[in-house]
Amino acid sequence: AQSVTQLDSHVSVSEGTPVLLRCNYSSSYSPSLFWYVQHPNKGLQLLLKYTSAATLVKGINGFEAEFKKSETSFHLTKPSAHMSDAAEYFCVVSRSSASGGSYIPTFGRGTSLIVHP
Amino acid sequence: GAGVSQSPRYKVAKRGQDVALRCDPISGHVSLFWYQQALGQGPEFLTYFQNEAQLDKSGLPSDRFFAERPEGSVSTLKIQRTQQEDSAVYLCASSLIAGGSTDTQYFGPGTRLTVL
Repeated sequence: AQSVTQLDSHVSVSEGTPVLLRCNYSSSYSPSLFWYVQHPNKGLQLLLKYTSAATLVKGINGFEAEFKKSETSFHLTKPSAHMSDAAEYFCVVSRSSASGGSYIPTFGRGTSLIVHP
Repeated sequence: GAGVSQSPRYKVAKRGQDVALRCDPISGHVSLFWYQQALGQGPEFLTYFQNEAQLDKSGLPSDRFFAERPEGSVSTLKIQRTQQEDSAVYLCASSLIAGGSTDTQYFGPGTRLTVL
């Protein structure tokens, strides 16, 4: 079975300071991991994904994440927060379908990023 | 460009009513997923289509929930005899290929269902 835990329900930072959103996963095999962002009244958008290539993954809008197998973590970081980064962020692990033949994403509960001016 | 669209964006139903939620995926996308997102939670998988075939419906919470994609493009999620616990945002997502572990899913804006 696969699962994902987002350790913080809310993270509050000041504009221009670093962002760290934490994610731990469990998986019975080599996982594929994703971060999605959800802005109010907009659809979920992919930020980045890890697919067993480079462990440091760069995404859109200056975000990156590092896959650490020994720690079963996939934390999302950004060096300098911008007001437009305020949104809900979801860490996702792919699990095999119960019926076979496809992979089903399992979402974490989300972390709300609040950016203060 | 054309993304995933969903209609209606908002639906209010009285308990016991039937509702139908529509999803228009990106043209040519093989895979289509439905999710239920309760307030303050992450999306939870409901069902998955590969073209017109419903390959996984393990996430449907009860037999009141039914989904179809008869021509392999537009999909409809139907909820019969709605209950208050069905109140949630229903998300549709599509991906280009057939449900691979590394697929990027493209999400619609969702339909917010409120059952009174």
